[in-house]
Amino acid sequence: GNSVTQMEGPVTLSEEAFLTINCTYTATGYPSLFWYVQYPGEGLQLLLKATKADDKGSNKGFEATYRKETTSFHLEKGSVQVSDSAVYFCALSDHDTGRRALTFGSGTRLQVQP
Amino acid sequence: GAGVSQSPSNKVTEKGKDVELRCDPISGHTALYWYRQSLGQGLEFLIYFQGNSAPDKSGLPSDRFSAERTGGSVSTLTIQRTQQEDSAVYLCASSLLTGGSYNEQFFGPGTRLTVL
Repeated sequence: GNSVTQMEGPVTLSEEAFLTINCTYTATGYPSLFWYVQYPGEGLQLLLKATKADDKGSNKGFEATYRKETTSFHLEKGSVQVSDSAVYFCALSDHDTGRRALTFGSGTRLQVQP
Repeated sequence: GAGVSQSPSNKVTEKGKDVELRCDPISGHTALYWYRQSLGQGLEFLIYFQGNSAPDKSGLPSDRFSAERTGGSVSTLTIQRTQQEDSAVYLCASSLLTGGSYNEQFFGPGTRLTVL
């Protein structure tokens, strides 16, 4: 079956630090990959996505590259801000097999201190 | 335009009671999903509706859980004889669905269910 594994949190960083949140996956088909973000008190929002190998998704200074050879989709940001404090979820959609629902990782809480 | 809305935002119930949770998807979205977010299990898929096709119920944890989608729009998730382990935030999402490509899922704010 499909699964997503992401690093345990919480991750605590100082403002302007470099961020990496690791994500690896297993999938039956050829999945699309996503990062969702949940800010405090808000709903899940799509942060970025990549639909094929070597694609790079990017948004709000965050980036992630679809690496088929390592089955990974690590999230990076060069300089985090306090406003980036949130829970980040890596997810996949294996729509090649007809399964369009998202399979999520466990989430990683990021806390950025001023 | 309006996003996905869910009601109620909070629901407290006693063990053994039935509850109904409602989701209003974005107008025109043909696909609707229910997920559950709980401390022990993370974010889990429950059920998926696509147009007039039979729903994908493969994520429902027991036969106490059921869902309907009337007229291709509003959906209701029903939990019968609630148990304490049903306590979670229930999330609804909707998306357009065209061909074989992925379409972004837009999530509602969720319903926090607490079973006493």
